[in-house]
Amino acid sequence: DGGITQSPKYLFRKEGQNVTLSCEQNLNHDAMYWYRQDPGQGLRLIYYSQIVNDFQKGDIAEGYSVSREKKESFPLTVTSAQKNPTAFYLCASSGAGALNYGYTFGSGTRLTVV
Amino acid sequence: AQSVTQPDIHITVSEGASLELRCNYSYGATPYLFWYVQSPGQGLQLLLKYFSGDTLVQGIKGFEAEFKRSQSSFNLRKPSVHWSDAAEYFCALYSGGSYIPTFGRGTSLIVHP
Repeated sequence: DGGITQSPKYLFRKEGQNVTLSCEQNLNHDAMYWYRQDPGQGLRLIYYSQIVNDFQKGDIAEGYSVSREKKESFPLTVTSAQKNPTAFYLCASSGAGALNYGYTFGSGTRLTVV
Repeated sequence: AQSVTQPDIHITVSEGASLELRCNYSYGATPYLFWYVQSPGQGLQLLLKYFSGDTLVQGIKGFEAEFKRSQSSFNLRKPSVHWSDAAEYFCALYSGGSYIPTFGRGTSLIVHP
């Protein structure tokens, strides 16, 4: 079955450490996205990519980095510069064209600073 | 600039009762409108979407939504709620030419037995 796989489901980060969240899709979707979700704040866009080897900053990109070397993969690195990284992170993808509007989401990664 | 407002942060209903979740939008043209559902600790799942045409759209899990241009609304409804419907519900708007939607802040649905 096609879908988006996020791993790990739970991740713990020590102070000053970089961690990478994985996002893989087998839907042949062109566009991929990373969102951060905090209680009461809805979804906030971190980065997005519409084609391979290209990506754009979203609303809260500071302290995060991404790469898009393959169509299927869009990993997110939470760097030590992100001072408050504890949150639920969601990856999504979408196809091209207006009729394909609408995201397919992964099941999320919960990141906790310890 | 477009915006999406979900006026209710929490909604509590009894199992078997009807449900209406409100979504109001601000956008100068005809928007593409979506409803998503998020179970605890999970990602979001698309319930239904409106592009054009019939103003009443049917979705999965027995949900429907009605687009009312005069009221700038796209309210989600279900005639009889099940305990498994307890979740967070998000309304989203796409403006023409943008791949990035504007999400509402979400409404948490609590279902009492």
